[in-house]
Amino acid sequence: TQLLEQSPQFLSIQEGENLTVYCNSSSVFSSLQWYRQEPGEGPVLLVTVVTGGEVKKLKRLTFQFGDARKDSSLHITAAQPGDTGLYLCAGLMFSGGYNKLIFGAGTRLAVHP
Amino acid sequence: EPEVTQTPSHQVTQMGQEVILRCVPISNHLYFYWYRQILGQKVEFLVSFYNNEISEKSEIFDDQFSVERPDGSNFTLKIRSTKLEDSAMYFCASGQGQGIFGYNEQFFGPGTRLTVL
Repeated sequence: TQLLEQSPQFLSIQEGENLTVYCNSSSVFSSLQWYRQEPGEGPVLLVTVVTGGEVKKLKRLTFQFGDARKDSSLHITAAQPGDTGLYLCAGLMFSGGYNKLIFGAGTRLAVHP
Repeated sequence: EPEVTQTPSHQVTQMGQEVILRCVPISNHLYFYWYRQILGQKVEFLVSFYNNEISEKSEIFDDQFSVERPDGSNFTLKIRSTKLEDSAMYFCASGQGQGIFGYNEQFFGPGTRLTVL
């Protein structure tokens, strides 16, 4: 069974703090996608990382893919209340010639002014 | 910016009834997916669809479920006889590519909330 573990499950911080969210698995993924999901809405794609060791930046968000392509992290610098939401990592599993996404349970972030 | 759309946004049905959830994928995408998310739980893969046939399905996707691309734009998920445990958000997604390398990004619709009474 492919499993993606995200930690922490919940994170409550003050505006201006830095934070890191982790996504770990024993499986190798062909790529890893980070999504943000608001209540009652669909996941919105933030970034895709493909190469082991890859680092991508999206304004104050930095995404890293582990060298072995089994884990990833999301680091947010100087968090703002607008960053509040559910952050999901999803590994792209290539099997039988087709891809499917395996989702983690998510990290719920609350940033307080 | 093109996006995946889904209708209805909320569907309430009685147990045992058939429901059809509709999706319009992004127009130049070739790969289509359905996922579901039971309240408070993970997003789970149901089925992938390419070239007018199912390419992969999960153990959740049993004989009660079917998918169809009836025309050039719509992609539907049918549940033949709904059960209480089918209550969930159902998300449609679409993407351009497949293959072991590359981005193969999937873009999600806003979801249909299905409530089975």
